[in-house]
Amino acid sequence: EDQVTQSPEALRLQEGESSSLNCSYTVSGLRGLFWYRQDPGKGPEFLFTLYSAGEEKEKERLKATLTKKESFLHITAPKPEDSATYLCAVQAPGSSNTGKLIFGQGTTLQVKP
Amino acid sequence: NAGVTQTPKFQVLKTGQSMTLQCAQDMNHNSMYWYRQDPGMGLRLIYYSASEGTTDKGEVPNGYNVSRLNKREFSLRLESAAPSQTSVYFCASSDWGGRETQYFGPGTRLLVL
Repeated sequence: EDQVTQSPEALRLQEGESSSLNCSYTVSGLRGLFWYRQDPGKGPEFLFTLYSAGEEKEKERLKATLTKKESFLHITAPKPEDSATYLCAVQAPGSSNTGKLIFGQGTTLQVKP
Repeated sequence: NAGVTQTPKFQVLKTGQSMTLQCAQDMNHNSMYWYRQDPGMGLRLIYYSASEGTTDKGEVPNGYNVSRLNKREFSLRLESAAPSQTSVYFCASSDWGGRETQYFGPGTRLLVL
């Protein structure tokens, strides 16, 4: 069964304390892996798309990496405004023209000043 | 550009009532999606429309119907609401379904009593 699992469920960091969020997936023939940020009461906001193992993308304090089985979202020297839920999603196999996504349950990050 | 807009933002229904959730996008995207988000379940696809004039079932379509009114608008209808449909509903759009990023609206919070 196609599945996306994110860990940990929740993460508390002190401001400046770097860490990583994990997204492991079991899908055959990955077509794309997406990272989103979601603030309370709002819709998911797009962060990154990764397509192949070894690919990396960066945006400010965030860096996303991809292997054949998992993706990591590295947060370097986080600030309180980085507090949010981070969602990982993979494009479902066989959905070449539909873009159907399978989402993980998310990691809720809290950064304390 | 407003991106993806949804109405209403919040709605309370009684069991058995019907309602339509509206979604519109101004990005000239071809594909549109409806998701629901429940605690511990992540985002799950209800219905999608790969292009104007087509609609297909997603993972959890029971109890819902959709209409792709035109390229901009995609509505979700609950014919006879049930408490199990209490959730937060998100609409999303993408240029083409293949590998394109999905952009989400702000969501509609629905409570069915």
